[in-house]
This record gives sequence, structure tokens and C-alpha cells, in this order.
Amino acid sequence: GAGVSQSPSNKVTEKGKDVELRCDPISGHTALYWYRQRLGQGLEFLIYFQGNSAPDKSGLPSDRFSAERTGESVSTLTIQRTQQEDSAVYLCASSLVFGGAANYGYTFGSGTRLTVV
Amino acid sequence: GQQVMQIPQYQHVQEGEDFTTYCNSSTTLSNIQWYKQRPGGHPVFLIQLVKSGEVKKQKRLTFQFGEAKKNSSLHITATQTTDVGTYFCAGKDFGNEKLTFGTGTRLTIIP
Repeated sequence: GAGVSQSPSNKVTEKGKDVELRCDPISGHTALYWYRQRLGQGLEFLIYFQGNSAPDKSGLPSDRFSAERTGESVSTLTIQRTQQEDSAVYLCASSLVFGGAANYGYTFGSGTRLTVV
Repeated sequence: GQQVMQIPQYQHVQEGEDFTTYCNSSTTLSNIQWYKQRPGGHPVFLIQLVKSGEVKKQKRLTFQFGEAKKNSSLHITATQTTDVGTYFCAGKDFGNEKLTFGTGTRLTIIP
């Protein structure tokens, strides 16, 4: 597609439930990233996928968080047993990797606003 | 791990005044990128700096990368109401494709 698409745009869930967030990157972008942004805060790195390489999961805050990516397309971020501190906007981004490095900026989706009540 | 700090956290300026935000990394960077996030929006890529001492301009915006590749600045000349938003720098380590975002500087304009 023309841009990075995320769904749903808003999600309200009860504490303890599982949620699944989806990201469709720009076609041809081999790198995909998930970030979390709490209200009025900066962007916190969660996980990064690049082609067939093992993902960089170093930013996942706990084992309740996991993410998958199918080939070089759709990615899903799953949060199990949600807690109130998980409330945030979850941003997905993709980038074009050239010469083994992402020489261009990230293109972000509009995010999923997650509210845990 | 790598940390990227920005100052100031907030800046309020009269329309027409200049604005500068500064970015400092705890480690030497492969490159640095700048993003703008409008209120309620998502970050939008502005520019990437790669070379030591590099300076790039985009109309009223001037971006600099420090000689040691550990700091950067964004300067906006004669601010306009359309410049409102939060400006983030984001640094990339060598051999690692993830960006570490700075804490951001939120710019508000007084008309």
C-alpha cells in the first residue's frame, strides 16, 4: 500500500484480556519496527524485524509481549493478560533497507491507541 | 544501553522567533535522524545526517551533526504556526538497525 496501515486504530480492553495489534508495512520495505508511546512521552523501542534474520526483541518489556511477522509483510503484536500500564499508543514503522542498512527514514503508521480498563 | 537526551523538553516562542533543540547521545552514532510529530499525529521523517560535522537545510530548518557524531541540533528560523509539534531526534548505533529516539522537544507557538 501507499503507507503503513495499522489496525485497529483504537482498542479498549479489560485488564487481563489478550489483545492483538496488526501492522501492514509499505510494500517492498523489508524492515519493520514496533514502538510504544505513552501519553506525552517519547518512543520506546519494542521489536525489530529485518528480512529472514532473527528479530531483535530486546525492547519487549515482559514475556506478556510477543510479535510475529509473516515473511516481509504483515506483523502482529500480541499482549497477553493486559495490565493498565500497557495503555499507550503502539506505533509500527517500516523502512527500506539498501546495502544492508536502512538509509532512509522510517515511515510510521497512525498507531493503535490501547486503553486497558 | 544507548541513551538519547534532548533539551529543552518544552519551548514556547512567539511566532517569528527562532527555535533550537539539542540532542545528545551517550554513544557515538552511525547516523542521526529527525522526526516531527504533530499533536495527535504520528512521527514523520524529516532528515538523516550521516557524516561528522554535516549540515543540511530544508527551507527554514537547519540540521547539524556534531564532529564527534554524538550530538545534533535542529534550528528553525522565523517560526510559523505550522511548526507546532514535538521534534524528536533518533540515533542509530553501528551494526544495529534500530533507532533510539530522543526524549523530544515540544514546540508551541504564540501567535
